[in-house]
Amino acid sequence: GESVGLHLPTLSVQEGDNSIINCAYSNSASDYFIWYKQESGKGPQFIIDIRSNMDKRQGQRVTVLLNKTVKHLSLQIAATQPGDSAVYFCAENTQTGANNLFFGTGTRLTVIP
Amino acid sequence: KAGVTQTPRYLIKTRGQQVTLSCSPISGHRSVSWYQQTPGQGLQFLFEYFSETQRNKGNFPGRFSGRQFSNSRSEMNVSTLELGDSALYLCASSLAVGAGARETQYFGPGTRLLVL
Repeated sequence: GESVGLHLPTLSVQEGDNSIINCAYSNSASDYFIWYKQESGKGPQFIIDIRSNMDKRQGQRVTVLLNKTVKHLSLQIAATQPGDSAVYFCAENTQTGANNLFFGTGTRLTVIP
Repeated sequence: KAGVTQTPRYLIKTRGQQVTLSCSPISGHRSVSWYQQTPGQGLQFLFEYFSETQRNKGNFPGRFSGRQFSNSRSEMNVSTLELGDSALYLCASSLAVGAGARETQYFGPGTRLLVL
C-alpha cells in the first residue's frame, strides 16, 4: 500500500530564514502530490501541489520540489514568518478520478521570533 | 465563497452509541471526502462521495458509513462507537469536473469526537 513519511517530525527556524520540509514517498505510481498546512484547531489548508510531470513548482513564498528518482518531495518556505508555524503534511494521490489522499505523518514547524 | 462547513464541531458520545456528522461542501463542489485524524494514525482516508455515490473507500470497518445528498452535502455515520473512534473527522470537498482530473481538496475545520 501507499506510504508517505517525513524525515523530521519537528523543525525550528528563525524568523526570516528559509525553511525546508522534506517528505519521502514509497509508491512509484503516485503522480500527484500536495502540501497542506494545519494550524491548531483547524483543518488542513492547501498550500501547493505538483504533478509528476514536473520537478518544481513555485507559489507565493513557497516552492515544491519533486525528485521522482529517489521518491522525495520537499517544501521550501522563503523568509519564514511566525504565521508559518504549523504542522505541514505532504499527501499523495495515485488514482485517477478519485480523491483519496494518503498523508504523511507531518512536520511541526516552529518559527522563532 | 464560504468554505467547507462541518457540524457539530465537538461531540461527546459513549461506547456503543452511534453518531452522525455533517459536511457542507463549497458551493459548486461535487466531491466530498472524509478523513479521520488521530495522533497515532495521522490522517487516514475514509471514503469519497461523488454524485450521491461512494466512489472510493479506505480501510475502515463497516461501522463507518456515509452518504451524499443531491445538493452535495454529505453525512458520515459511525455505529457502535469504540474508544478508538475518538478522533478529528475531517471533510474535504473538490470541484470534480472530470473523471481524470486531479483536483485540490479543501478541508473543513473538522468535528472532534470523543468517545467515553
